[in-house]
Amino acid sequence: DVKVTQSSRYLVKRTGEKVFLECVQDMDHENMFWYRQDPGLGLRLIYFSYDVKMKEKGDIPEGYSVSREKKERFSLILESASTNQTSMYLCASSLLTGQGLNQPQHFGDGTRLSIL
Amino acid sequence: QKEVEQNSGPLSVPEGAIASLNCTYSDRGSQSFFWYRQYSGKSPELIMFIYSNGDKEDGRFTAQLNKASQYVSLLIRDSQPSDSATYLCAVMDSNYQLIWGAGTKLIIKP
Repeated sequence: DVKVTQSSRYLVKRTGEKVFLECVQDMDHENMFWYRQDPGLGLRLIYFSYDVKMKEKGDIPEGYSVSREKKERFSLILESASTNQTSMYLCASSLLTGQGLNQPQHFGDGTRLSIL
Repeated sequence: QKEVEQNSGPLSVPEGAIASLNCTYSDRGSQSFFWYRQYSGKSPELIMFIYSNGDKEDGRFTAQLNKASQYVSLLIRDSQPSDSATYLCAVMDSNYQLIWGAGTKLIIKP
């Protein structure tokens, strides 16, 4: 079974803090993703990565950055946390897409982040 | 703007009946289609994926794909209270980007 592990299930931080969310997958997946999910807004893609040291902006990258130094680990960074970044953050991974049959994304348990 | 549309619900179905969840998509070049289940406060869990026109069955779940009409459905037979959740449809478009629907909330009434 695919295992995607997010470092924290719940996290409380203060405005202006630099926040790190960590994600590790154990299935040698090339692709990794960070989403946030808010009531009524669905899943929104923040950043994704197709390879080590590679990153691409998603739909809402403002206020966030990412790091992928190793294939199994993808970190999301809130440079200066703000209250509007209070949300559920979800990490996902998948095998390389393309070549016809595209592989599904598998999710971690999520991190519920509160910025006070 | 490529879109995936789902009725937000809630869809209320009696226990033991068939629940039918629908999803339409705008990109005619889409190739891969996924259904996820999400319980309240939890992360999405993959239920099924389908690539070809027609039906794909897995236990009580059947995914149906009609590319000509650009819709994909999920049928849940013999619905159980534990099936109560939000069901997310996701479509991989012609640029290999995964487009998510907003989800349909399903309630199974005992």
